[in-house]
Amino acid sequence: EPEVTQTPSHQVTQMGQEVILRCVPISNHLYFYWYRQILGQKVEFLVSFYNNEISEKSEIFDDQFSVERPDGSNFTLKIRSTKLEDSAMYFCASRARGRYNEQFFGPGTRLTVL
Amino acid sequence: KNEVEQSPQNLTAQEGEFITINCSYSVGISALHWLQQHPGGGIVSLFMLSSGKKKHGRLIATINIQEKHSSLHITASHPRDSAVYICAVRGGGADGLTFGKGTHLIIQP
Repeated sequence: EPEVTQTPSHQVTQMGQEVILRCVPISNHLYFYWYRQILGQKVEFLVSFYNNEISEKSEIFDDQFSVERPDGSNFTLKIRSTKLEDSAMYFCASRARGRYNEQFFGPGTRLTVL
Repeated sequence: KNEVEQSPQNLTAQEGEFITINCSYSVGISALHWLQQHPGGGIVSLFMLSSGKKKHGRLIATINIQEKHSSLHITASHPRDSAVYICAVRGGGADGLTFGKGTHLIIQP
């Protein structure tokens, strides 16, 4: 069964460093999402992406964040200058065209900023 | 903006008990998801509902659109059901999901 994959599973970085989190969505999916979950808190929507453009973003998704689909398979989330409060689990999700309500989640990347 | 509330926040039960977890939301939706999160952190989708009721094994999910309420039931609960159960909704013009805080379920043998 096709699935969303994410790498790395755990990333540790120093405050101020740039990180790139990678996702490989399901191959025929065209809509992509990033969510985050700070430890002990609820999952929060960050951004949605379609046709090489951001289609929606939350107030969390400020200028420190960017997303890209650099090739036909990867979908990345970049944090330019990490802060301690960026430590969280980051989930990627994808869905197919027309399947508005069916998002498939990846296993997540745990980001720890020291 | 949709507000999603779950109850209870924590639930401890004995193996075999019938479990109910509730979710309510404030704004009309196109779909509601029930998700399961294990201690490792990964999220697994259990159900997606837009109306009525769905059943998968020992899990049953119902939704009442008029009352803006959904329930997740687990019959004959088992320790392996121990996890965080999360309700999430899509609607109100947004594509991204809005999540509840989750219900932490522990089933004791």
